[in-house]
Amino acid sequence: QVQLQESGPGLVKPSQTLSLTCTVSGGSISSGGYYWSWIRQHPGKGLEWIGYIYYSGSTYYNPSLKSRVTISVDTSKNQFSLKLSSVTAADTAVYYCARDTVTTKTFDYWGQGTLVTVSS
Amino acid sequence: QSVLTQPPSVSAAPGQKVTISCSGSSSNIGNNYVSWYQQLPGTAPKLLIYDNNKRPSGIPDRFSGSKSGTSATLGITGLQTGDEADYYCGTWDSSLSAGFLFGGGTKLTVL
Repeated sequence: QVQLQESGPGLVKPSQTLSLTCTVSGGSISSGGYYWSWIRQHPGKGLEWIGYIYYSGSTYYNPSLKSRVTISVDTSKNQFSLKLSSVTAADTAVYYCARDTVTTKTFDYWGQGTLVTVSS
Repeated sequence: QSVLTQPPSVSAAPGQKVTISCSGSSSNIGNNYVSWYQQLPGTAPKLLIYDNNKRPSGIPDRFSGSKSGTSATLGITGLQTGDEADYYCGTWDSSLSAGFLFGGGTKLTVL
C-alpha cells in the first residue's frame, strides 16, 4: 500500500519561500509510470493542481503558478519536494502531495495534507 | 471560477439516487479521461472513479461514472449518511494553458 506524507513548516512569512517535502513509502518513486504531484486547497475552497515531477526529474507546472514553483525529486530518499517563492496570504492553504498515473492522469494516492499559513 | 462547472450542492434522502454533473469543453473533458474524488470533512480527497467510469478496488458499485461529449456525470445510488461529502471532478486540459483541472466541487447533503 502506497503512502504519502507531507512535512514542512506550518507558518511562512510573506515574501519568503514555502518549502514542503513528501515522503513516499510502500512503493518506489523510481519505478516509473507515475507522476508525483502537489495539489493545494485554500480554506473552504476547491482543489488546485500545482504541478508534477517524474522520477527522471522532468516537471510540469500549473501555468498560473509556474513563475514561482519548483518541484524536485530525491530518489535516494524516495521523496519529492515543493518550493513556492514570494508567498502572500493568498498562498495560505492545505497542501497535498499525490501520486498521478501517467497514462490517465488520475490521482490514486494522496497524503493527508498539511496546512501552511502565510502570515507575519 | 473553475473551467469545469459543477453544481455547488445537491441533496437527496437516504436510499435515493443522486447525480452530479461536470461540464467542460473539447480541450478538457471532450478529449481526456475524467476522474472523480470524494472528500469527507477534514480529510484528503479519495479517488472514486477513474478513466471516466472505472472504480478502484474497494469502491462500491453504488458509485458510477459516465462521460458524453464535453460533460461527465457521477452517480451515487442507495445514498447513505456517510456519503455526505464534497465531490470533485478532474481532467487534463490540453489547451495552451495546459494542466490538470478540478471542478469547483459539489457538496452532497443526505437529508
